[in-house]
Amino acid sequence: GQQVMQIPQYQHVQEGEDFTTYCNSSTTLSNIQWYKQRPGGHPVFLIQLVKSGEVKKQKRLTFQFGEAKKNSSLHITATQTTDVGTYFCAPRGGKLIFGQGTTLQVKP
Amino acid sequence: NAGVTQTPKFQVLKTGQSMTLQCAQDMNHEYMSWYRQDPGMGLRLIHYSVGAGITDQGEVPNGYNVSRSTTEDFPLRLLSAAPSQTSVYFCASRRTRGQGPDTQYFGPGTRLTVL
Repeated sequence: GQQVMQIPQYQHVQEGEDFTTYCNSSTTLSNIQWYKQRPGGHPVFLIQLVKSGEVKKQKRLTFQFGEAKKNSSLHITATQTTDVGTYFCAPRGGKLIFGQGTTLQVKP
Repeated sequence: NAGVTQTPKFQVLKTGQSMTLQCAQDMNHEYMSWYRQDPGMGLRLIHYSVGAGITDQGEVPNGYNVSRSTTEDFPLRLLSAAPSQTSVYFCASRRTRGQGPDTQYFGPGTRLTVL
């Protein structure tokens, strides 16, 4: 499976601030998925990106797939306490290998 | 649909004991997999299966066995538990054919402690 590196590993923000997590690969990815895991919960699928340069939005969440298909990002505008959790990227391949995740803490 | 179910939710073992973590899905998914999650380590793939009768190793397979005799079930066996296997275990499934994103669905997890 293809390996990806996620940065940062942890992020603390004040409620209302923006947040971005990055997912980087040394090889070209066919597509990439993003998941969210709430504290004490299980990962839940958010989105899949397939096309070079693709941008998708889900309310305050914006997902991007790089032009070279080697990186992806998730941006949250005006964070809320409900955004707390760990966000994982996973390049879609024969076996789904996850990045280490970015854990987001939001201070009210 | 119940989705992906896992039993038990919690388990405490002594070193050297064996046990089987159960996983079942009712979505007729071909692909099933097991992950372990440790603090700061993310999700690491243990074993996976692309269909009944077919299994393969993931990133961290040592100390674990799997089998896939039916589409629905994918049990994970710990042959001789070690403290290093203390972790949260997630089972997941997804389809491998058809249109649209191949969303991976996770079970609620089994929290295992090995003393």
